[in-house]
Amino acid sequence: DTGVSQNPRHKITKRGQNVTFRCDPISEHNRLYWYRQTLGQGPEFLTYFQNEAQLEKSRLLSDRFSAERPKGSFSTLEIQRTEQGDSAMYLCASSIQGANTEAFFGQGTRLTVV
Amino acid sequence: AQTVTQSQPEMSVQEAETVTLSCTYDTSESDYYLFWYKQPPSRQMILVIRQEAYKQQNATENRFSVNFQKAAKSFSLKISDSQLGDAAMYFCAYMNSGYSTLTFGKGTMLLVSP
Repeated sequence: DTGVSQNPRHKITKRGQNVTFRCDPISEHNRLYWYRQTLGQGPEFLTYFQNEAQLEKSRLLSDRFSAERPKGSFSTLEIQRTEQGDSAMYLCASSIQGANTEAFFGQGTRLTVV
Repeated sequence: AQTVTQSQPEMSVQEAETVTLSCTYDTSESDYYLFWYKQPPSRQMILVIRQEAYKQQNATENRFSVNFQKAAKSFSLKISDSQLGDAAMYFCAYMNSGYSTLTFGKGTMLLVSP
């Protein structure tokens, strides 16, 4: 499978727990994006990396959220002290650097905080 | 900030018929890109069609075409000869030139009946 891979596909956690999601982009893609999609809404941008550098973070990304891409390959998104409002689908996408290059999305990780 | 509005939460079409999904956006930029993405249930989002704002010619991809009205900031998607496999959530998205992050609308659910 050469597409964007996200793990786990589903995660149920108790409020207050920490969770970590992983995204493996398409191998030659140097840009990686995280989006959050809540029910009835379109995806909202969270953050993006070019290689290992985190170039942009949305105001949506509170202090409880942290993302890394240590070697410019896979990325992790951690949410600390989860809240019910964090329940959403977390989407990862990747692309090649350049103007108007297509972003390829993974299937997402659905987080439910109970 | 840019905004994308999809005013049709749901649309229905019969197989082989034509349907048009609406999208309007707001931006002060003159150079940007517009996209339509398709998100089937429980599957990843895929790019359907894209339009560069500097191009006057409307983009076409097989049965999918757009009506891009730059002055009106309107970007509708026409699906001809609808097929059952077209049933999905469709998102309109905007991207500034020189950037790589997407701003999405809330989506339109397309139902296709035999």
